[in-house]
Amino acid sequence: AQSVTQLGSHVSVSEGALVLLRCNYSSSVPPYLFWYVQYPNQGLQLLLKYTSAATLVKGINGFEAEFKKSETSFHLTKPSAHMSDAAEYFCAVSPRAAGNKLTFGGGTRVLVKP
Amino acid sequence: DAMVIQNPRYQVTQFGKPVTLSCSQTLNHNVMYWYQQKSSQAPKLLFHYYDKDFNNEADTPDNFQSRRPNTSFCFLDIRSPGLGDAAMYLCATQTGGTYNEQFFGPGTRLTVL
Repeated sequence: AQSVTQLGSHVSVSEGALVLLRCNYSSSVPPYLFWYVQYPNQGLQLLLKYTSAATLVKGINGFEAEFKKSETSFHLTKPSAHMSDAAEYFCAVSPRAAGNKLTFGGGTRVLVKP
Repeated sequence: DAMVIQNPRYQVTQFGKPVTLSCSQTLNHNVMYWYQQKSSQAPKLLFHYYDKDFNNEADTPDNFQSRRPNTSFCFLDIRSPGLGDAAMYLCATQTGGTYNEQFFGPGTRLTVL
C-alpha cells in the first residue's frame, strides 16, 4: 500500500524567503506524484505533477519540485514567498496505472509573514 | 472553460434532514469522485464512479449514497445528516487515462444544525 508523509503541518515563512514543503512517499515502485494547493473555502488546484519525465518539475505560481528516488521524496519549493502563497498544500501519490485513486498526505498550512 | 461545478457552494441542513449535493463537469471525464474534508484534514475519499460503475470505500457510512445519471452529473445524497457530517464536500474528475491527475470543483460546505 502507498502512503504519503508531509513533514510539518504548519510552516511560517517571511515574504521573499524560500518556501520548502517536504513530502516523502512509500511505494514499491515510483508512483505518480502531485502537489495540490487549497485556498480557504476552495477546492484543490494542481500545482505540478511528476509522471516519469524530468525529475525537476516546474509548476504554476513559481513552484517547483524535485523527484528523488533514492530519498523517496518529492519536496516542493519556491524561491521567494508571496503573501498570496498563504494556503494549504497537499502532496499526493497514485500508482502508475490508469484511473487509480490518489493517496493524500496530511497537508501543510503555509503562513506568510510580511 | 471546461470545469467542475458544485452546487450549492454552501448548504445548511437540519439534523436528520436529507440533503443532496450536486456536481457537474464539462470535461467529459470517465471518473468522478466524492471526498469529505473536515477542518485542517486531507480529503477523505467516500466513493467514485468509473463510467457507470460505482466503487464505495470500505469505511464510507451507509448514510452516504451517490448517483450518476449521466457522464456530466454526479450527486451525493446524505440520508440522515448528523452533526459529524458537517464538512466540505469535494467533487473531482479524472480522465481514466494517463497520469491520474484529478480536477477538483470548488466544494460545498455543509453545515448541520
